[in-house]
Parts: sequence; structure tokens; C-alpha cells
Amino acid sequence: GENVEQHPSTLSVQEGDSAVIKCTYSDSASNYFPWYKQELGKGPQLIIDIRSNVGEKKDQRIAVTLNKTAKHFSLHITETQPEDSAVYFCAARNTDKLIFGTGTRLQVFP
Amino acid sequence: ETGVTQTPRHLVMGMTNKKSLKCEQHLGHNAMYWYKQSAKKPLELMFVYSLEERVENNSVPSRFSPECPNSSHLFLHLHTLQPEDSALYLCASSHFGGSYNEQFFGPGTRLTVL
Repeated sequence: GENVEQHPSTLSVQEGDSAVIKCTYSDSASNYFPWYKQELGKGPQLIIDIRSNVGEKKDQRIAVTLNKTAKHFSLHITETQPEDSAVYFCAARNTDKLIFGTGTRLQVFP
Repeated sequence: ETGVTQTPRHLVMGMTNKKSLKCEQHLGHNAMYWYKQSAKKPLELMFVYSLEERVENNSVPSRFSPECPNSSHLFLHLHTLQPEDSALYLCASSHFGGSYNEQFFGPGTRLTVL
């Protein structure tokens, strides 16, 4: 079955700096890769996703890249702000199931 | 109410109690999911319901019993739980089928088993 690994587990950056979170997956049949943001006391919320026929997608300060050959994908947040502080989860979709990474706790210091 | 709602938000129960978690979605979806979220572990898929039929049971102990009376409501009945069952239980919904259907999550129920 699919296995998703996510790094780092914690990430601290200064406001205005960039943050990068990386994930790898094992099953080449996975074809959809969403990223979720979970704030304290809330459920995960989708912030961006990418399909396997696309190499990069950008939405304002957030971008995701996908390397199908290497089976890894990354989340890039530019010009970070304190409200970006949360836990971020990557996931890979495989046969109608989402397999999640273990999460990255991002802290943005003012 | 919009989106996915869950009640209660917090629950403390003893190992001999019986309780139920409730989830309701207002998005017109036809699939609903229960996940368990424990510290430093990936979200664990427990059950999937599509069109009110259970399509997935990920080797979950029988002390967890799901119920989906209609496409908008999902319950998780709990009995004789163990302390290691303490976790955040998340409900999600989506359109079932196809490869790219976004799952919308509720806020979760924080369960503590004493």
C-alpha cells in the first residue's frame, strides 16, 4: 500500500522568510496530492492540491511542486506571516483513499 | 450551519461507558469518513461510507461501531474503550468516486478515555 513520509516535523521561521515542507510517496499509481492546514482546535482545511499531470501549481503565497519520477512533492510558502503558524499535512490519493503524512508544525515568529 | 459539524467537541468517558459521536455534513456529499488523529502519527482512516453503505473498515476494533442512517449523518458508537483510544476523532465528507475529490473535515471530537 501507499506510504507517505513528511519532513521536517517542526519548522520555525522568521516572519517574511520562506518555508518549505517536503513529502515522498511510495506508490507510483497515486495521482492526487492535497495539502491541508490544521489550526489549533480545528479540523484540517485544504489549502492547495496538485494532480499528477501537473508539475507545479501556485496560489498567491503558496505553491506546490511535484516530481513524479522521484515520487516527491513539496509545499512552498513565501513571505510567511504569523497566521501561517499551524500544522500542515501532505497526502497522496490512492484508490479512493487519502494517505496522510505525519504533519509539520510550522511556527512563524514576528 | 455550513460545512461539516461534529458533536460533542470534547468527551471524557470511562472504560465501561457507552457514548456516541455525531457528524453532520451540509455540503450535499455522498461519502463520509471517520479518522483518528493521535499525536505524532498520520491521520488514520477508520471507516468510509458511500451512499450510506460501508465501503471500508480499516481493521478497527469492534469497540468502535459506525452508523450512517443517511448521506448527511454519520455516527461513531463507542463502548468499553481503552485509554489508548484517547485521540481527536475527525469526520470528513466528499463526493465519492473519481480521483480528485476534496475531503472536507469537521473540527473533531477530542476524546479522553480514563
